[in-house]
Amino acid sequence: AQTVTQSQPEMSVQEAETVTLSCTYDTSENNYYLFWYKQPPSRQMILVIRQEAYKQQNATENRFSVNFQKAAKSFSLKISDSQLGDTAMYFCAFDRSGGSNYKLTFGKGTLLTVNP
Amino acid sequence: DTGVSQDPRHKITKRGQNVTFRCDPISEHNRLYWYRQTLGQGPEFLTYFQNEAQLEKSRLLSDRFSAERPKGSFSTLEIQRTEQGDSAMYLCASSPQDAGENIQYFGAGTRLSVL
Repeated sequence: AQTVTQSQPEMSVQEAETVTLSCTYDTSENNYYLFWYKQPPSRQMILVIRQEAYKQQNATENRFSVNFQKAAKSFSLKISDSQLGDTAMYFCAFDRSGGSNYKLTFGKGTLLTVNP
Repeated sequence: DTGVSQDPRHKITKRGQNVTFRCDPISEHNRLYWYRQTLGQGPEFLTYFQNEAQLEKSRLLSDRFSAERPKGSFSTLEIQRTEQGDSAMYLCASSPQDAGENIQYFGAGTRLSVL
């Protein structure tokens, strides 16, 4: 079974600064997907960024980038130029590849607060 | 609105009552998922449909829980004889069949409170 661990229950950052959220996972699979989802207060969860395990290049989406270390089973999210709208719960998630696409395994989340 | 829609947004019920939630996925998505999220936790997988077929059920889904997707479009999740431990946010997600996509799109959830 896969497990996902987010060791930072809460973090805060000043507007315009950079913050990194940590995620580690455990799996015996070789091919898989990793995701970061954002859940703003009382709003639906949306995908921030995803990484395919067989790709060595780290994924980037505008101000969001990941540091994927497959051997260490680590998948951190870096948010640059933090904005007030980035305040949310952030969940790291894992999915087996190979066409299964049938469930995500989530960590417990990190509550990020961006201060003005 | 072409996103995943869930109804109701909030449900308050007394212990022992039955409740039913509805999820309307994105129209071209044939895969539909239910998750449960309790306070301070990440979402936990409950069940998964491909079209109308229920292909996977978590051990979290006790006999009091049943999910259907009769025509491969909307889905319902019913909880019978609710217990206080059922209080949670119930999330629905959908995804297209293309395995390369592998992205699930979530609804806003139904928050259940069992008194």
